[in-house]
Amino acid sequence: GAGVSQSPSNKVTEKGKDVELRCDPISGHTALYWYRQRLGQGLEFLIYFQGNSAPDKSGLPSDRFSAERTGESVSTLTIQRTQQEDSAVYLCASSLTRGLGYTFGSGTRLTVV
Amino acid sequence: GENVEQHPSTLSVQEGDSAVIKCTYSDSASNYFPWYKQELGKRPQLIIDIRSNVGEKKDQRIAVTLNKTAKHFSLHITETQPEDSAVYFCADPDLFGAGTRLTVKP
Repeated sequence: GAGVSQSPSNKVTEKGKDVELRCDPISGHTALYWYRQRLGQGLEFLIYFQGNSAPDKSGLPSDRFSAERTGESVSTLTIQRTQQEDSAVYLCASSLTRGLGYTFGSGTRLTVV
Repeated sequence: GENVEQHPSTLSVQEGDSAVIKCTYSDSASNYFPWYKQELGKRPQLIIDIRSNVGEKKDQRIAVTLNKTAKHFSLHITETQPEDSAVYFCADPDLFGAGTRLTVKP
């Protein structure tokens, strides 16, 4: 596609429910990243995928968070048993390869009530 | 662990003045340093980047300098305009600084 697409754009969920966020990277981009941005804060690295290599999961805040990506296509970020502190904008970005600038998606605003 | 520090956290300048934002990094292996601009309610967008084999790069009113020995790099915006008002983030390239909120007063 022309840009990085994320869905849904907004998600309101009840505490304790699971949510799944989706990211469609730019076609041909081998690198894909997930970040979390709390209101008024910076970008917190979550996870990085590069082609078929093992992902770098070092930023995932707890075992409630997981992400998958098949090859160089769509990625999903899953948050299990959501908590209020999970409320944030979740941004996905992709690049041709690591070491080049990212193109960000418009994000998913997650609100846990 | 590795980190990127960014200063200042807020910066207010008069239209036409220059603005400078500085970042330091800790990962000696880092060799690519992008800067992103995030306007209110929008996604971050890449505005300029620099590689470790280059000391300075310019693009119209913005420039980035890199001191690899000291592990710091800076963003320079000249002749600032109100539309430059935004939050600016440095990165190395996966870890981001905390951001600088730049306000350009007309």
